[in-house]
Amino acid sequence: QVQLKESGPGLVKPSETLSLTCTVSGDSISDYYGSWIRQPPGKGLEWIGYIYYTGSTNYNPSLKGRVTMSIDTSKNQFSLKLSSATAADTAVYYCARDGGGDFHYWGQGTLVTVSS
Amino acid sequence: DIVMTQSPDSLAVSLGERATINCKSSQSVLYSSNNRNYLTWYQQKPGQPPKLLIYWASTRESGVPDRFSGSGSETDFSLTISSLRAEDVAVYYCQQYYTTPYTFGQGTKLEIK
Repeated sequence: QVQLKESGPGLVKPSETLSLTCTVSGDSISDYYGSWIRQPPGKGLEWIGYIYYTGSTNYNPSLKGRVTMSIDTSKNQFSLKLSSATAADTAVYYCARDGGGDFHYWGQGTLVTVSS
Repeated sequence: DIVMTQSPDSLAVSLGERATINCKSSQSVLYSSNNRNYLTWYQQKPGQPPKLLIYWASTRESGVPDRFSGSGSETDFSLTISSLRAEDVAVYYCQQYYTTPYTFGQGTKLEIK
């Protein structure tokens, strides 16, 4: 059974870098893309970007070059870094197994708050 | 970016009745080479991640009850729940994956009347 789990700090200071890791079990991340999606409290969903096992990435331009994703196939993990964080980046961050844009499996999500 | 617009924003339906949620994309999400619409529907309950219900606009995900169905093509789509059950109370999102950035509708909150 495929499971994804997000991990990382729940509190980030403004202007610092938000860093999260997604650990995948029950499946190989080499078979699919790994996407990050976020949801501000009480609001809708925003796709952040994806990474493939080759290291190929595709980011949402709305995040203006602040996003970096990486992958560690030996650990079955992929990661997200979002630089220059502001209060607007406060959200629940989800990782998802991306079959080509359709997200069949999601992590439970982790709330990241940007505040001093 | 492709803009996804759902209607209505909220909907109250009686138990056992039909519920229909609409989704309109700002451009076609039909890929002509394979005749597939790159459109999904998700259900999200409070405190939970979204759950995939429908992909390719009308293909039900494994394990999803057959009271859920998706229809439509190109720019106009619908999600229908044929006979509403209490456990269907949730927010529903459509999403296009025709092109990046993938984009979601604003969500439709479904409640019991």
